[in-house]
Amino acid sequence: DAGVIQSPRHEVTEMGQEVTLRCKPISGHNSLFWYRQTMMRGLELLIYFNNNVPIDDSGMPEDRFSAKMPNASFSTLKIQPSEPRDSAVYFCASSPGGASREKLFFGSGTQLSVL
Amino acid sequence: KQEVTQIPAALSVPEGENLVLNCSFTDSAIYNLQWFRQDPGKGLTSLLLIQSSQREQTSGRLNASLDKSSGRSTLYIAASQPGDSATYLCAVMDSSYKLIFGSGTRLLVRP
Repeated sequence: DAGVIQSPRHEVTEMGQEVTLRCKPISGHNSLFWYRQTMMRGLELLIYFNNNVPIDDSGMPEDRFSAKMPNASFSTLKIQPSEPRDSAVYFCASSPGGASREKLFFGSGTQLSVL
Repeated sequence: KQEVTQIPAALSVPEGENLVLNCSFTDSAIYNLQWFRQDPGKGLTSLLLIQSSQREQTSGRLNASLDKSSGRSTLYIAASQPGDSATYLCAVMDSSYKLIFGSGTRLLVRP
């Protein structure tokens, strides 16, 4: 299996632009998670889906952030409009079963820089 | 609110040493605890998962223990190697099914 695939690996954009991050979870995994990692705040859970349905989005910082999972093999995280403080590494992770039991498998992340 | 703390923040040891990384959490109502490894510029790799009903898990040279009542976990690495150099992150899954991460321990194993 190729693992969790994220794209792009790096994204540089200007403040105010729309940014879309993409994730393909491991085939057969039922849960998908979006995390953000910064030096100041460490790893923060933004949102997670179970069977394509958003279960908890309380970590989404504000209305500029939105996430979708239209099918079991694809998810997007969109920031519109982007701001410099959104600069971080964004990770997608998936797990094969219920969130309480299984290991998480992380993608390589998207390094986002908003100028 | 669940908080996860890792001590030390950084550690440098000579090759061959046995070492212990520490993790503490404030709320004992957890579903599981996981240890991850992160290499620079890379994602996280799951090393060990301990269910709340378990006391320890072992994988090769790694052994993780869990004392839920005291809110502590340790990751023991035996016979450390330069390839073990990375950041090690502890995370607990809380009662709302969120995985809460510590800030990590940066380990350097010197040849």
